[in-house]
Amino acid sequence: EAAVTQSPRSKVAVTGGKVTLSCHQTNNHDYMYWYRQDTGHGLRLIHYSYVADSTEKGDIPDGYKASRPSQENFSLILELASLSQTAVYFCASSDAGAGQIYEQYFGPGTRLTVL
Amino acid sequence: QQKVQQSPESLIVPEGAMTSLNCTFSDSASQYFAWYRQHSGKAPKALMSIFSNGEKEEGRFTIHLNKASLHFSLHIRDSQPSDSALYLCAVAASNTNKVVFGTGTRLQVLP
Repeated sequence: EAAVTQSPRSKVAVTGGKVTLSCHQTNNHDYMYWYRQDTGHGLRLIHYSYVADSTEKGDIPDGYKASRPSQENFSLILELASLSQTAVYFCASSDAGAGQIYEQYFGPGTRLTVL
Repeated sequence: QQKVQQSPESLIVPEGAMTSLNCTFSDSASQYFAWYRQHSGKAPKALMSIFSNGEKEEGRFTIHLNKASLHFSLHIRDSQPSDSALYLCAVAASNTNKVVFGTGTRLQVLP
């Protein structure tokens, strides 16, 4: 079964500080995604990547950067953390194979609290 | 931009009941329709998906898709307390690799 891990699992950050969330997958999947989950908003896509060294903006990219240094690793960077970025962040991966590209395999999530 | 909405927001049913969850979408060109289940404090996990009109059954779960009505649903037969979770529907259009999720239906099955 797909394996996606995230670190840290929880973090408290100060407003204006820099936060880096990391994701690692061992599925050999080409696609990786970052979502945030807030009560009442479901899962919203922040950034995604099809291949190493390339990232794409999702539906809510403002205030976030992403980095994909290798096929296995995908990071989400908050350069200047704000109170509104308090949420649970999920990383996911999917296979590029026909019929499989859409199914998302999620990591355990990172609970971020910005004070 | 694709809009995906779910109803109801929450649902409480007794053990053994049939449960029905609904999802509507806005893009008629969508081609991936799925349900994910998320237990409290856990990651979402794909439950089942469908790509063409009709029904698909897997165990106690049935997904029904009507593209013309921009609607699909999940039916859970003989609901169990272990089915208590947040259910997220998900849709993807044919011209994108992005999946859009609904805001979820929180299901509670009472023993």
